[in-house]
Amino acid sequence: GQSLEQPSEVTAVEGAIVQINCTYQTSGFYGLSWYQQHDGGAPTFLSYNALDGLEETGRFSSFLSRSDSYGYLLLQELQMKDSASYFCAVRDLSRDDKIIFGKGTRLHILP
Amino acid sequence: EAQVTQNPRYLITVTGKKLTVTCSQNMNHEYMSWYRQDPGLGLRQIYYSMNVEVTDKGDVPEGYKVSRKEKRNFPLILESPSPNQTSLYFCASSPRRSDEQYFGPGTRLTVT
Repeated sequence: GQSLEQPSEVTAVEGAIVQINCTYQTSGFYGLSWYQQHDGGAPTFLSYNALDGLEETGRFSSFLSRSDSYGYLLLQELQMKDSASYFCAVRDLSRDDKIIFGKGTRLHILP
Repeated sequence: EAQVTQNPRYLITVTGKKLTVTCSQNMNHEYMSWYRQDPGLGLRQIYYSMNVEVTDKGDVPEGYKVSRKEKRNFPLILESPSPNQTSLYFCASSPRRSDEQYFGPGTRLTVT
C-alpha cells in the first residue's frame, strides 16, 4: 500500500537551517505537498513539487526527487514562529485522487 | 474573504446520538475532503468529493457518511457515534487536480 515516512521530531536553533525529509511509496504519484500546522490551528499549505528539483518560496524551499521517491522541506533563517508540525502529502492517482498525509514532523526551535 | 467554515467547532455527545458537522467553502472549489487527526497518526482522509453528487471513500470511512448536494457544502454525518470517533476533524477544499488544499478551522468532537 501507499505510505509516507517522515521523522517524528526535529530540533534546531533559531537562525539556523533545518531539513525535514519525506519518503513516499505510492503506485500513482502526481506530486508532493507540504503543510504547516501550529498547535491548535489548521494545516496551511506551504509548497508543492510535481517535477524534480527545488522550489523556493521565501525562507522555505521544497525539493523532490521522483526517481528516489524522496522529498524534503528546507527552512532557512529559522524563527521561533516556525515551531510547528510539518506534514508531507501526496495525491495518489492510482486511488482516484485520494490524498495521503505523512504522520507529521514536530519542529522544535531553541533560542 | 475566501474561507472554509465548519460548525460546530466543539461538540461533546454521547454514544449513538446522530450528529452532523457542516462544512462550507466560498471559493467554488470542486474537490472537498474530510480528515480526522489523532495524536501520532497525522491526518487521515475519511471521505472526499471531486464534484457535486460524487463522493468516494478515503482511508478511514467506517462509521461516517457524507453528501455533496451543492458545490459549496460537504457535511459529515455520524449516524451512531462511538468513543473511537473522538477526534479533531478538518474539512478541506481545493480546485480540481490542485494539491493546494484550504482547511477549515477544525471541529473537536468528543463521544462519551
